[in-house]
Amino acid sequence: EIVLTQSPGTLSLSPGERATLSCRASQSVSSSSLAWYQQKPGQAPRLLIYGASSRATGIPDSFSGSGSGTDFTLTISRLEPEDFAVYYCQQYGSSSTFGQGTKLEIK
Amino acid sequence: EVQLVESGGGLVQPGGSLRLSCAASGFTFSTYTMNWVRQAPGKGLEWVSYISSSSSTFYYADSVKGRFTISRDNAKNSLYLQMNSLRAEDTALYYCAREGFFKIGPSYYYAMDVWGQGTTVTVSS
Repeated sequence: EIVLTQSPGTLSLSPGERATLSCRASQSVSSSSLAWYQQKPGQAPRLLIYGASSRATGIPDSFSGSGSGTDFTLTISRLEPEDFAVYYCQQYGSSSTFGQGTKLEIK
Repeated sequence: EVQLVESGGGLVQPGGSLRLSCAASGFTFSTYTMNWVRQAPGKGLEWVSYISSSSSTFYYADSVKGRFTISRDNAKNSLYLQMNSLRAEDTALYYCAREGFFKIGPSYYYAMDVWGQGTTVTVSS
């Protein structure tokens, strides 16, 4: 099973700042199989990024994904108040796995 | 409107059984792979199971293998999860999620692009 480790566990930033979230895989993951999700309290997850770097429909261009192999990054270029949430990476395969999540909180 | 609505959750004793349902609408259900994902209280997301569009392929997380069975009825636009031998650690909010496919150039990419609001399963005596 591929284990995804996200860091940091919690990220405290202010609106307007840049956020960089990391997702590291225990073994190489195809870029086409890496996705990022956002989850707000009491809500279902929302797809942000698929294929490591492609934005899902309706996702603002302040969100970007990058990486390959075992290291992937989600960047939010300029934080808006509504961006504070928990973010998960996911690798897709015959046995999908999610990272444990990064909580992005207001500083 | 594309929508997934889960039902069937509830309180069950350890060792008991429960069947979850997910009703799909607003899209051609029979052409999509579907998944179940769960989230224990205060915890992260855990993928549970996958079923292909034609029910020819199934996958399960090790934590539920041999106890849970995924199925679908394309004529009824419905996805199911039969859960047997339930344990306290199965307590969670269970989501069904559509696996969207995205074509960029010659390549296809997959991710869970539509989620229901979830149904809560509590395993306790």
